[in-house]
Amino acid sequence: DTAVSQTPKYLVTQMGNDKSIKCEQNLGHDTMYWYKQDSKKFLKIMFSYNNKELIINETVPNRFSPKSPDKAHLNLHINSLELGDSAVYFCASSPQIPGPSDGSQYFGPGTRLLVL
Amino acid sequence: SQKIEQNSEALNIQEGKTATLTCNYTNYSPAYLQWYRQDPGRGPVFLLLIRENEKEKRKERLKVTFDTTLKQSLFHITASQPADSATYLCALDETSGTYKYIFGTGTRLKVLA
Repeated sequence: DTAVSQTPKYLVTQMGNDKSIKCEQNLGHDTMYWYKQDSKKFLKIMFSYNNKELIINETVPNRFSPKSPDKAHLNLHINSLELGDSAVYFCASSPQIPGPSDGSQYFGPGTRLLVL
Repeated sequence: SQKIEQNSEALNIQEGKTATLTCNYTNYSPAYLQWYRQDPGRGPVFLLLIRENEKEKRKERLKVTFDTTLKQSLFHITASQPADSATYLCALDETSGTYKYIFGTGTRLKVLA
């Protein structure tokens, strides 16, 4: 009964290719996120959707395009992959307003992307 | 500029002692601050959330304090165990009440048996 799932877990691809990562949450949360964790383990927000609407779009190259077909899914498509895109990408979800006992953000297991 | 800093990259302590991790921030006014645990090869796992009007929050062996004047949160693990070894991340909302969470650099804790 995985709360936040991502596919694939590993992605190895050549520079210039286009790839997608999928994310699904079964927690009934309204808000979903994409984060990038680089080789120094720094976790940085990329995008956030609330009820299928884009609410946060950080300074991310427009080669990255998120899509939320419904509030349980948030996919990430990356065009023309570059070496610097190699990182771990985490999907997360949260209730709209964190409650006192809510796990504020629930993270997926991550997708390890390696661009060769 | 806005920054979140965690006290050190790595912290080693002896089993049974209390581990204290620090999270300092500048130029933010968060409504709440969160602590997460991350194990190698896994996503962060939520531990505790503390609101700006709360001084302290506890959960089992964990305690978090939040001082908005000092712009600092302390995270304590009492009676630490080797299983507590992990990286601990603090996070806050960039602007009060937004969905934009900013994470600290993390502290790698190692509890020695």
